[in-house]
Amino acid sequence: EVLLVESGGGLVKPGGSLRLSCAASGFTFNYAWMTWVRQAPGKGLEWVGRIKSRTDGGTTDYSAPVKGRFIISRDDLKNTLYLQMSSLMSDDTAMYYCVAWTTLELAATYAFDVWGQGTMVTVSS
Amino acid sequence: QSALTQPPSASGSPGQSVTISCTGTSSDVGGYDAVSWYQQRPGRAPKLMIFEVRKRPSGVPDRFSGSKSGNTASLTVSGLQAADAATYYCSSYAGSSNPVLFGGGTTLTVL
Repeated sequence: EVLLVESGGGLVKPGGSLRLSCAASGFTFNYAWMTWVRQAPGKGLEWVGRIKSRTDGGTTDYSAPVKGRFIISRDDLKNTLYLQMSSLMSDDTAMYYCVAWTTLELAATYAFDVWGQGTMVTVSS
Repeated sequence: QSALTQPPSASGSPGQSVTISCTGTSSDVGGYDAVSWYQQRPGRAPKLMIFEVRKRPSGVPDRFSGSKSGNTASLTVSGLQAADAATYYCSSYAGSSNPVLFGGGTTLTVL
């Protein structure tokens, strides 16, 4: 069974930093392209960023609101995805979902097929 | 770019069919066969129901179908069941600079 388990969420002050983790199992993590999607309370979904597999270059892309503040990385030995968030703002308050693309076809069309349960990040003074 | 436009709510009785629309532009929905639909129940993560306009992932019932005409995509749920009550989101690939847009979500009520 494909499983993604996020952790690391919590309450942080504006301007602060936080690192989210996503432990993956049940699939070949090192070949998977991974992504983060967030959802503000009572709001819709918003793509945050993605990282390709190392065999495909391991490059990252980010949405405009987080570019320059968030960094996505991966540790293929630990089957873990990370989201390092800095200069946090109230607008970053959201449930953060780790998502795996199980095929490149889905990654190419940004169809998010395997989701974790999410971890909540609250930015407030 | 603005989010894709969905009606805030939709409803139907058990056994009926309901269609949810998702309107974008020629730069997103109309420009690519890359529309996806997600079902989200309260307190749960979204679930992929349709990808590439009309394809269903394994395990999704064929009561769920997708289509597209011009800049508007649609999700049809046939033979409505109580378990289909949820919020449905559409998304579309929108090019490399801002690759994915989401709709605001449609809450489906099964009467």
